[in-house]
Amino acid sequence: NAGVTQTPKFRILKIGQSMTLQCTQDMNHNYMYWYRQDPGMGLKLIYYSVGAGITDKGEVPNGYNVSRSTTEDFPLRLELAAPSQTSVYFCASSLTGTGGGSPLHFGNGTRLTVT
Amino acid sequence: DAKTTQPPSMDCAEGRAANLPCNHSTISGNEYVYWYRQIHSQGPQYIIHGLKNNETNEMASLIITEDRKSSTLILPHATLRDTAVYYCIVRVVVRGSQGNLIFGKGTKLSVKP
Repeated sequence: NAGVTQTPKFRILKIGQSMTLQCTQDMNHNYMYWYRQDPGMGLKLIYYSVGAGITDKGEVPNGYNVSRSTTEDFPLRLELAAPSQTSVYFCASSLTGTGGGSPLHFGNGTRLTVT
Repeated sequence: DAKTTQPPSMDCAEGRAANLPCNHSTISGNEYVYWYRQIHSQGPQYIIHGLKNNETNEMASLIITEDRKSSTLILPHATLRDTAVYYCIVRVVVRGSQGNLIFGKGTKLSVKP
């Protein structure tokens, strides 16, 4: 299994541009998540999904959108990039919700700079 | 919401056991304690989790106190590759979700030769 795969690894955007961060997993996990990590800080949850067609907001959803049309894919969309969105973005998945003791499996991240 | 407190940094000699403490005094009875680590800004890596009993796997051991207000992650024979930031997390329910894990700043463990 490849696990959780994120693309691209790096990206530089100009203010106001849009982009989609891709995330795919091959473990048949129901739950998927997007986190962001600012320098020297912990991870903050942006959006999550409990299954295909179902998404919900996390702690910091403003400026982002997600969709979950398949079990495998969970793309994150930035519509109007702002410098405050400069961060490292991590996608993760889990078989069930973490309330049931199911650990998260993370991708290696996308490093985004908005200038 | 249950929160965790960890020391910001620790050192450990290579080959010795690394004992990383975590306080979670407001933990609820049905909340799991998770440990993850992050190496060189890679994606966090799952280590171990537990509810009430002590747990052991191929990577580490997790000791949870009887009152569940604190826990210790033990790396039995630390190597240089174990240098990382270690996160102790208590699973939190937000808006009925089952997905939110709050990552604090963790403990930066430096394993030295």
